[in-house]
Amino acid sequence: EIVLTQSPGTLSLSPGERATLSCRASQSVRSSYLAWYQQKPGQAPRLLMYGASSRATGIPDRFSGSGSGTDFTLTISRLEPEDFAVYYCQQYGSSPYTFGQGTKLDIK
Amino acid sequence: QVQLQESGPRLVKASETLSLTCRVSGGSISSYYWSWIRQPPGKGLEWIGYVYYSGPTNYDSGTTNYNPSLKSRVTTSLDTSKNQFSLKLISVTAADTAVYYCARGAFPPYGSRGFDSWGQGTLVTVSS
Repeated sequence: EIVLTQSPGTLSLSPGERATLSCRASQSVRSSYLAWYQQKPGQAPRLLMYGASSRATGIPDRFSGSGSGTDFTLTISRLEPEDFAVYYCQQYGSSPYTFGQGTKLDIK
Repeated sequence: QVQLQESGPRLVKASETLSLTCRVSGGSISSYYWSWIRQPPGKGLEWIGYVYYSGPTNYDSGTTNYNPSLKSRVTTSLDTSKNQFSLKLISVTAADTAVYYCARGAFPPYGSRGFDSWGQGTLVTVSS
């Protein structure tokens, strides 16, 4: 099983700032099958990025993803008020599919 | 645009069976991988398993893949006539209390987008 470790656990920033979230895998993720999800309280997760660097439909271009192998990053270039949420990475390259423990992005 | 909606009992007694159904609208269940994912209150996400349509020879029950951590207790199936799929989790305990989501898996050959559509989730509480 691939274990995904996200850092930091909590990130406190202000609107307009840049956010960088990390996801490290215990072994290489096949074909960069790595996704990022955003979850707000009381809501289902929403797909943001897939294939490590492709934005899902309707996701603004301030969100970007990068990485391969075992190290992946989600960057939000300029934080908007609606971006404060919990973010999860997830690998779907090998079963069982696994999620990171999440990074909470909150307002400073 | 595909939509998913979970339904089923919100309260299950310990040692009994948790049963949920996910109705899919706006798209056919004959394509894609149909997953269950759960989230205990205040915690992270756990993939439970998926089912996909593998042709009429499998009596429409589908082909499955489960998380080894739950494999001995989980069954998923699909019903193409109703465009829905189901989850059964036997011998539940308080540790199975969670929000249960159904989700569409866009995995090869149906793309490589991960879980691209989710139901709203339903909280199932296991009582003693």
